[in-house]
Amino acid sequence: KQEVTQIPAALSVPEGENLVLNCSFTDSAIYNLQWFRQDPGKGLTSLLLIQSSQREQTSGRLNASLDKSSGRSTLYIAASQPGDSATYLCAVVNSSYKLIFGSGTRLLVRP
Amino acid sequence: DAGVTQSPTHLIKTRGQQVTLRCSPKSGHDTVSWYQQALGQGPQFIFQYYEEEERQRGNFPDRFSGHQFPNYSSELNVNALLLGDSALYLCASNPGGQGGYEQYFGPGTRLTVT
Repeated sequence: KQEVTQIPAALSVPEGENLVLNCSFTDSAIYNLQWFRQDPGKGLTSLLLIQSSQREQTSGRLNASLDKSSGRSTLYIAASQPGDSATYLCAVVNSSYKLIFGSGTRLLVRP
Repeated sequence: DAGVTQSPTHLIKTRGQQVTLRCSPKSGHDTVSWYQQALGQGPQFIFQYYEEEERQRGNFPDRFSGHQFPNYSSELNVNALLLGDSALYLCASNPGGQGGYEQYFGPGTRLTVT
């Protein structure tokens, strides 16, 4: 059974810091991994999608890496801003095509 | 291009009642999935519809049922509501019926059961 874990559960950093969010999964047989952002009480916004054959994806200040063999992904946020404050969720798609989510990392970027 | 839309935004129901939530997928998408997100948790998969059929189902009781229409829109029905059904219900869509595609989420429906 696929399980997804995100560490840390919460993170508070001063503005301008570079930071890394971690995601691990127990079954390496995945189709892809997707990182999402969720603002309080809102839906999910897709940030990055990494196919199983890829090692990383970049979008602006965000970079996500994938290491299938070790069951790990990281989301790197450069030069963090208060507007980055949100919950970040990672999710994997396995052979059954459904997304399996971690519990998220709540990020607060202090001005 | 409208993204995934859901209605209603908020809903308050009483225990034992029934509720129907609605979802319209992103243009060009034919696969719709429903998720339940309890406070402080990641979303949990309820079921997925493709070509008007339930293709797979998560670990939810039969009180949760759904439907997909020919225009790919979808409904989630929950019967005999329990307090524990209070959650944010999210709809996601993707194209092609395959697992390799990016999934797009709607804003969700906040259901409160009293």
